[in-house]
Amino acid sequence: GESVGLHLPTLSVQEGDNSIINCAYSNSASDYFIWYKQESGKGPQFIIDIRSNMDKRQGQRVTVLLNKTVKHLSLQIAATQPGDSAVYFCAENTVTGANSKLTFGKGITLSVRP
Amino acid sequence: KAGVTQTPRYLIKTRGQQVTLSCSPISGHRSVSWYQQTPGQGLQFLFEYFSETQRNKGNFPGRFSGRQFSNSRSEMNVSTLELGDSALYLCASSLSPTSGNTDTQYFGPGTRLTVL
Repeated sequence: GESVGLHLPTLSVQEGDNSIINCAYSNSASDYFIWYKQESGKGPQFIIDIRSNMDKRQGQRVTVLLNKTVKHLSLQIAATQPGDSAVYFCAENTVTGANSKLTFGKGITLSVRP
Repeated sequence: KAGVTQTPRYLIKTRGQQVTLSCSPISGHRSVSWYQQTPGQGLQFLFEYFSETQRNKGNFPGRFSGRQFSNSRSEMNVSTLELGDSALYLCASSLSPTSGNTDTQYFGPGTRLTVL
């Protein structure tokens, strides 16, 4: 069935290092993928998105890579800062007939060590 | 431009009661989606409204319902509350319906519902 999963529940990185958060998806018909960041007590915040016809997209300090061959999505954060500590979710736009909805992964906690 | 707002932020109810949560989307956004977030199940889609019509629905029982008003504000209702309904309920808005569209959804801070 459709599912979006994250490989690791937690990730701890040193401040200043690069972070890589990985996500696997199973629906090859998904046409749109999004990364969200959720800080404690807040709703998910949009980080970056990528359409299925792209392999890579860059934002400010973040890069999303999409590998459709192995159905893998990753979020790279350059020079990780303490403010990056949060739970990160990948989501895929799941198409069912004429309708679509976002399906979220379980979430991975990023912890930045000072 | 103000973000998505949700009221109330916190709510405590007892089993069997019903609850109504409110969401005001970003100005100009016409699509509102609702999600339930729990530690065990993560973020799960409840339903989406656009132009006062429910367009998509997740796999939740009929106790969960919603509606959207002409000004795009939305409410969701949960009747006959169960302990397992304790969760963070999130509302997200986008410019247009998610069907076949890649418009980004922007989330509100959520309503924390506790059922005792």
